[in-house]
Amino acid sequence: GNSVTQMEGPVTLSEEAFLTINCTYTATGYPSLFWYVQYPGEGLQLLLKATKADDKGSNKGFEATYRKETTSFHLEKGSVQVSDSAVYFCAVASGGSYIPTFGRGTSLIVHP
Amino acid sequence: DVKVTQSSRYLVKRTGEKVFLECVQDMDHENMFWYRQDPGLGLRLIYFSYDVKMKEKGDIPEGYSVSREKKERFSLILESASTNQTSMYLCASSLSGTGPPEQYFGPGTRLTVT
Repeated sequence: GNSVTQMEGPVTLSEEAFLTINCTYTATGYPSLFWYVQYPGEGLQLLLKATKADDKGSNKGFEATYRKETTSFHLEKGSVQVSDSAVYFCAVASGGSYIPTFGRGTSLIVHP
Repeated sequence: DVKVTQSSRYLVKRTGEKVFLECVQDMDHENMFWYRQDPGLGLRLIYFSYDVKMKEKGDIPEGYSVSREKKERFSLILESASTNQTSMYLCASSLSGTGPPEQYFGPGTRLTVT
């Protein structure tokens, strides 16, 4: 089956710092890749996605590039804000399945 | 916008009680899911449904059952609640088809069993 490995948190940064959250995956076929974000007290919401190799997903200043050769989908943001404090989940879906496999989540804490 | 709502944000129940968690989505999605979220364990799939009256077990179905009598509604039932079912429960829905299976989540129900 598919699997996702995310870096463990929490990741603690100062405002305006550069963010990278690592995600690697194993999957069959041609997977779709996702990043979801969960703000405190809320459910998950889709942040960005990519459906084929070398695609770059982007949203709200966050970016991630689908790297098939390294089976990675690292999340980056050039300048984080306090409001970005949340838990970030990487996910993969493939083989015609509509059920994604989620990583365990990485907590991000941004200090003013 | 897709909206997924859950009947309660917080719930406190006693051991042995029967517990119903309700989820409703308003975008005519075929697929619906129930997850539980625990610190350090991420999301674990309990049950899912791809059509009315259809249900499939996920990774951790023991101690739970589900009901889907209408397309928009998916209920999670704890037949006899136990303290190890204290958790955050998340409902999600998604559209069937050939596109990437994005899921839309509700706000969650934090259940405490005492």
